[in-house]
Amino acid sequence: DSGVTQTPKHLITATGQRVTLRCSPRSGDLSVYWYQQSLDQGLQFLIQYYNGEERAKGNILERFSAQQFPDLHSELNLSSLELGDSALYFCASGRDRADEQYFGPGTRLTVT
Amino acid sequence: DAKTTQPNSMESNEEEPVHLPCNHSTISGTDYIHWYRQLPSQGPEYVIHGLTSNVNNRMASLAIAEDRKSSTLILHRATLRDAAVYYCILWERGYGGSQGNLIFGKGTKLSVKP
Repeated sequence: DSGVTQTPKHLITATGQRVTLRCSPRSGDLSVYWYQQSLDQGLQFLIQYYNGEERAKGNILERFSAQQFPDLHSELNLSSLELGDSALYFCASGRDRADEQYFGPGTRLTVT
Repeated sequence: DAKTTQPNSMESNEEEPVHLPCNHSTISGTDYIHWYRQLPSQGPEYVIHGLTSNVNNRMASLAIAEDRKSSTLILHRATLRDAAVYYCILWERGYGGSQGNLIFGKGTKLSVKP
């Protein structure tokens, strides 16, 4: 158990819908990272927040957005969902930008 | 963007050392080299990271070439539990350290034979 929690574990939704994935970092960690893992693309970094501010951005689509709240939990919002958005979404947390990251168990999103 | 290149797969025998290579010829001076592994049906797990000097921890050792264009993750005695996909990652800091980009390699699938 890494100490990072993600909800929900599984999510099934239809194309065109919007979903919110939630992540609670380990106690004391200020950074939250979001990743997408699909079969054909492998593990892709999406975005990082550090103490409430966006710090790094990867290949995140404009239909996706994220935020980190004052209690440091983070939400990843995915809208206008397409079949290709079906993937595992991981959240990770860490104490520093270059520090080790601890990954949550992931949310499996299925878009039908 | 700095990228990494790893072999697609490697095999090892249990109890023997394993050397997992990673090439990152376009690495910049402030990029950290991180290694993570992902066991089947689990999230990635931190293994080790370094900047210029070789690093050791309880899980593995990281050997970084003098020119920093390549690195090697060393598992001293492979166990069946070490069978996983190993990712070599560059943490690319932007100017002023305020922005950056995490770039994953394709990963090396390590198989460990009993």
